[in-house]
Amino acid sequence: DAGVTQSPTHLIKTRGQQVTLRCSPKSGHDTVSWYQQALGQGPQFIFQYYEEEERQRGNFPDRFSGHQFPNYSSELNVNALLLGDSALYLCASSWQGGPYGYTFGSGTRLTVV
Amino acid sequence: AQSVTQLDSQVPVFEEAPVELRCNYSSSVSVYLFWYVQYPNQGLQLLLKYLSGSTLVKGINGFEAEFNKSQTSFHLRKPSVHISDTAEYFCAVRDGGATNKLIFGTGTLLAVQP
Repeated sequence: DAGVTQSPTHLIKTRGQQVTLRCSPKSGHDTVSWYQQALGQGPQFIFQYYEEEERQRGNFPDRFSGHQFPNYSSELNVNALLLGDSALYLCASSWQGGPYGYTFGSGTRLTVV
Repeated sequence: AQSVTQLDSQVPVFEEAPVELRCNYSSSVSVYLFWYVQYPNQGLQLLLKYLSGSTLVKGINGFEAEFNKSQTSFHLRKPSVHISDTAEYFCAVRDGGATNKLIFGTGTLLAVQP
């Protein structure tokens, strides 16, 4: 039973560029949440997708956007990258948004130079 | 708003010694609490969770935590640590909104020394 799969594992981008990160949820899960973990910090909630809709957004600018596909996989897009966007981006999947069974992926390490 | 405070940024301990990692929370709704572990260059793995019922929760790898409502704490304990327990540990509380998002603390690095 595959867990949460994220791709790519590492990424280096230049300031001002755009990036797309991908997440495939655990089998049986239909909800995907994205978190940003800056170095030395705890993960911060970006947004959650359920039934292909964004349900809630954390304190992140509109440069951060997402999408969920009919197969429940999800993408996180970040436009106009800033140095401060350098972080580990974690995807977590669950069933109908419940926190009881959150499963996290291994993350995508984004470095902006 | 919900919040989590992890009082220690780093806890050094010798192998086979007991350890306690402290976590205090604030929440205005029914409390769901979690401990996650993060090994270097990896994602988060759930150690244990408190949803309701017994206040002593047992998790994986010999860890346990006790929910104390009066002290708003959820401290993590292990009676005897191993070198392999060296990792970052995060306490989290469920936010009461529609998404049930998790609010994380800043983490505690458990550094087990031989």
